[in-house]
Amino acid sequence: DAKTTQPNSMESNEEEPVHLPCNHSTISGTDYIHWYRQLPSQGPEYVIHGLTSNVNNRMASLAIAEDRKSSTLILHRATLRDAAVYYCILRDNTGNQFYFGTGTSLTVIP
Amino acid sequence: DAGVTQSPTHLIKTRGQHVTLRCSPISGHKSVSWYQQVLGQGPQFIFQYYEKEERGRGNFPDRFSARQFPNYSSELNVNALLLGDSALYLCASSLGLFFFTDTQYFGPGTRLTVL
Repeated sequence: DAKTTQPNSMESNEEEPVHLPCNHSTISGTDYIHWYRQLPSQGPEYVIHGLTSNVNNRMASLAIAEDRKSSTLILHRATLRDAAVYYCILRDNTGNQFYFGTGTSLTVIP
Repeated sequence: DAGVTQSPTHLIKTRGQHVTLRCSPISGHKSVSWYQQVLGQGPQFIFQYYEKEERGRGNFPDRFSARQFPNYSSELNVNALLLGDSALYLCASSLGLFFFTDTQYFGPGTRLTVL
């Protein structure tokens, strides 16, 4: 499985935008980029996914580099409830493995 | 609608014992995956089942086994428990139709402590 690299931790002030980076230099043409987050004492939850184009949903935006070797999860206005570990995951078209990595621990400062 | 449920919530076992963890997927979901999450690390993939067939297996020893029932619920079995098996065991369900875009819905997990 192609792997991802994320910073171990990041901080953001409440109500400010947050850009969470992810490097995936070995991504293949058919790998989808998924983001999940895990709030304290909970199972992971889906945030967003994309292939080539930038994606938006009610939770976040996903910006994918033109060469697809990196992506950025954007939280437009961080709230205290967004404090979590964010995982960037690549999923190929066999889809039978899901490699989480160590993720980025986001701290939101009031 | 009910989410993914797992039982039990917590479990304490001793080395060498056997454990069975259970998972009920969201209604309509045909795929169940199991993950192990050791404290401070991301979840590690153990198994995926779809329509009662094993579709994927992570790098875990044969002491770990699983099965999926006709109602799509699943069991994870671990034999000959080791101290290192202490972890949060997560179950996730998904529709299972398109694996590369499938959204996984996770349960709250079972916390296993091996003494």
